[in-house]
Amino acid sequence: ETGVTQSPTHLIKTRGQQVTLRCSSQSGHNTVSWYQQALGQGPQFIFQYYREEENGRGNFPPRFSGLQFPNYSSELNVNALELDDSALYLCASSLAGANNYGYTFGSGTRLTVV
Amino acid sequence: DQQVKQNSPSLSVQEGRISILNCDYTNSMFDYFLWYKKYPAEGPTFLISISSIKDKNEDGRFTVFLNKSAKHLSLHIVPSQPGDSAVYFCAASAGQGGSEKLVFGKGTKLTVNP
Repeated sequence: ETGVTQSPTHLIKTRGQQVTLRCSSQSGHNTVSWYQQALGQGPQFIFQYYREEENGRGNFPPRFSGLQFPNYSSELNVNALELDDSALYLCASSLAGANNYGYTFGSGTRLTVV
Repeated sequence: DQQVKQNSPSLSVQEGRISILNCDYTNSMFDYFLWYKKYPAEGPTFLISISSIKDKNEDGRFTVFLNKSAKHLSLHIVPSQPGDSAVYFCAASAGQGGSEKLVFGKGTKLTVNP
């Protein structure tokens, strides 16, 4: 059983640029959630995808968008990057209908915006 | 407005002693609570959870206590081991269906000294 894999592990972008982060969900999981963890903070919910559609969104602007593919993998896209977007981005997969301890997190992508 | 609060950024204990990590929440809709452990350069890993219908849940050295009237939960680790040194996040959700968003606290860094 493979876990959640995220790519890339580290990324440096310039303010105003666009970035795409990728996540492969754990085998058997059909739901992907994205979280942003800023320095010194806990992870904050960005949005969730289920059956290739957005299924809930946190308090993030529309320049944060995502996709889920038929194989349940997912992408997080951020347009017009701002310095405050610098953070660890975590992907978590789960099986809808299972208990919450079914959330499996990836190791994250560390994004630095300069 | 932080709905899940971990007021102690750090905690240091001696090996073999008890570690007590605390968490408070404000949202009465939360009915499922989880503790995650995070090592540097890794994603959070699930540790233990508790439903609001219970006041205690135990798993080996880890016990979580829930006081609903005080909106307070705590994680007890007995005995503490050096390998327990990590950042511990308290998280809460409204429901446990495997697709509810998690609301995290800022975390408590636990250091267990040999």
